[in-house]
Amino acid sequence: DTAVSQTPKYLVTQMGNDKSIKCEQNLGHDTMYWYKQDSKKFLKIMFSYNNKELIINETVPNRFSPKSPDKAHLNLHINSLELGDSAVYFCASSQDGGGNQPQHFGDGTRLSIL
Amino acid sequence: GNSVTQMEGPVTLSEEAFLTINCTYTATGYPSLFWYVQYPGEGLQLLLKATKADDKGSNKGFEATYRKETTSFHLEKGSVQVSDSAVYFCALSPTLQGGSEKLVFGKGMKLTVNP
Repeated sequence: DTAVSQTPKYLVTQMGNDKSIKCEQNLGHDTMYWYKQDSKKFLKIMFSYNNKELIINETVPNRFSPKSPDKAHLNLHINSLELGDSAVYFCASSQDGGGNQPQHFGDGTRLSIL
Repeated sequence: GNSVTQMEGPVTLSEEAFLTINCTYTATGYPSLFWYVQYPGEGLQLLLKATKADDKGSNKGFEATYRKETTSFHLEKGSVQVSDSAVYFCALSPTLQGGSEKLVFGKGMKLTVNP
């Protein structure tokens, strides 16, 4: 059983389009996250939600809008895609967002902008 | 601010070689420290963790000890296998009261183990 699943796995689209990435966790965790991994493998947090409430919002363009319909889902919608948005996006979850709780990651969505 | 500095590599080793990946951190308070591993085409997986000074995390033959005096959390394995080929990330999470704590990652180190 997949713990953190995100779809699609690959997303190829053109500049200017709008796209969404979905994430679901079946671990019963309260906190979910979105990370961006660039071509050099550097990982940076984008957003964090705890029980559907936005907790962390790093310096991310407002073209990126997370939505959490319930605590098991955290979707990422991106408007007006740009070349620089090409990256691998990872969803993750943790029990309660506490500092010593490990995070469980999905397999990533590879976004390529043409 | 909080930051993690680790060896970036890439590093290539022969099977059964000894592995050390250095990791040092800067943080206020008493962070929790983690090593995550990313196998090709997959997401990150927790490899081991330590939540207080002098704790040793261990898993799959890997070990790391939380050294507060040197602000380090170096990863070691005595004998690597081909299946250990992956990217390794050191990370910290500040332990502040309340709220969600974000992970701060090092830049990752790609390890290739040849037979």
